[in-house]
Amino acid sequence: GAVVSQHPSRVICKSGTSVKIECRSLDFQATTMFWYRQFPKQSLMLMATSNEGSKATYEQGVEKDKFLINHASLTLSTLTVTSAHPEDSSFYICSASLPGTGPDTQYFGPGTRLTVL
Amino acid sequence: AQSVTQLGSHVSVSEGALVLLRCNYSSSVPPYLFWYVQYPNQGLQLLLKYTSAATLVKGINGFEAEFKKSETSFHLTKPSAHMSDAAEYFCAVSDTRSGGYQKVTFGTGTKLQVIP
Repeated sequence: GAVVSQHPSRVICKSGTSVKIECRSLDFQATTMFWYRQFPKQSLMLMATSNEGSKATYEQGVEKDKFLINHASLTLSTLTVTSAHPEDSSFYICSASLPGTGPDTQYFGPGTRLTVL
Repeated sequence: AQSVTQLGSHVSVSEGALVLLRCNYSSSVPPYLFWYVQYPNQGLQLLLKYTSAATLVKGINGFEAEFKKSETSFHLTKPSAHMSDAAEYFCAVSDTRSGGYQKVTFGTGTKLQVIP
């Protein structure tokens, strides 16, 4: 149980285009999902916390208009990188909290590698 | 503010040798602590977590970690390394923020190399 999927696993796009990444909890309902960004050889940096049915809470320094997050259902959150530029190239990972398992056990998706040309 | 410090960005051990990955935490309240493993181009997998119950926590794949409040440490160990243990390991701490949700802060990671 507690499987989180991400789609796509890899995406290459041209500068200026927008890219949508999906995060799904496959066998549980996640009221809270998290989006992280990981630069090469670095740790995960929390970008935003996504709560179903409400606006996402962004970390300091993360542009809300650049990284649009939608959590329309208890099993799906999406991250849209708008007007992507090469500096947005990174590994994006989502996670979801599993209710009833204690504090903050987050289950992570496999990640999406975004390359902006 | 909470934080974790992982000592050593790279650790090399021989196959069959003891694995010891170090993590020290800083938290103003009793912390919740985690160890995650990440294989190349994959997400993170939870190895184990400490939530104020037993101080010695056993996880998957033969790993365990001991919470030592006096040393503010949560080191990860495994008695005998296997080639499949080669990966990057992240220590993490969580706290509760206003609004009720919790934020997990990750360490910078330790890459474990297992030498045959």
